[in-house]
Amino acid sequence: EPEVTQTPSHQVTQMGQEVILRCVPISNHLYFYWYRQILGQKVEFLVSFYNNEISEKSEIFDDQFSVERPDGSNFTLKIRSTKLEDSAMYFCASSLRTGHTQYFGPGTRLTVL
Amino acid sequence: AQKITQTQPGMFVQEKEAVTLDCTYDTSDPSYGLFWYKQPSSGEMIFLIYQGSYDQQNATEGRYSLNFQKARKSANLVISASQLGDSAMYFCAMREGRGGSNYKLTFGKGTLLTVNP
Repeated sequence: EPEVTQTPSHQVTQMGQEVILRCVPISNHLYFYWYRQILGQKVEFLVSFYNNEISEKSEIFDDQFSVERPDGSNFTLKIRSTKLEDSAMYFCASSLRTGHTQYFGPGTRLTVL
Repeated sequence: AQKITQTQPGMFVQEKEAVTLDCTYDTSDPSYGLFWYKQPSSGEMIFLIYQGSYDQQNATEGRYSLNFQKARKSANLVISASQLGDSAMYFCAMREGRGGSNYKLTFGKGTLLTVNP
């Protein structure tokens, strides 16, 4: 069964460093999302992406964040200068069509020291 | 106001018994969808079941069913015949709107279910 994959599973970085989190959505899906979950808290929407552009973003998704679909399979989230409060689990999700079920990847646990 | 409310931070159930996890939602949009996801201790988010606002019947997927009461704005998850592997965090989520938006999901705070042998 097709699934969303994410790499790395765990990333440790120093405050101020740039990180790139990678996702491979389900191959025929057209809509892509990033969410984050701070430890012990609920899952929060960051950004949605369709047709090579951002469709919607939350107030969390400030100028330090960017997304890109560099090729036909990968979808990346870049954090330009990490802060301690960026430590969280980051989930990528994809859906076939808008409004359809979003399937989540296993997550990348980001730890900022 | 919270869009998704899960009032049970934790629930316990005996193996093989049924359990209901509560979820209430708040929206003024006539078109919306409700989802339940399971998050085991390993951290991944697993889709369980979906209910659309216009669906006439309650959704079912194997041992999972959704008790959808539109007038009360509730979408409770019922797990029948609980298994030890059902122990996990369960999240209720909602997407709102139609007409071109990407329908972000809004999540509740979750309910931690523990199945006792």
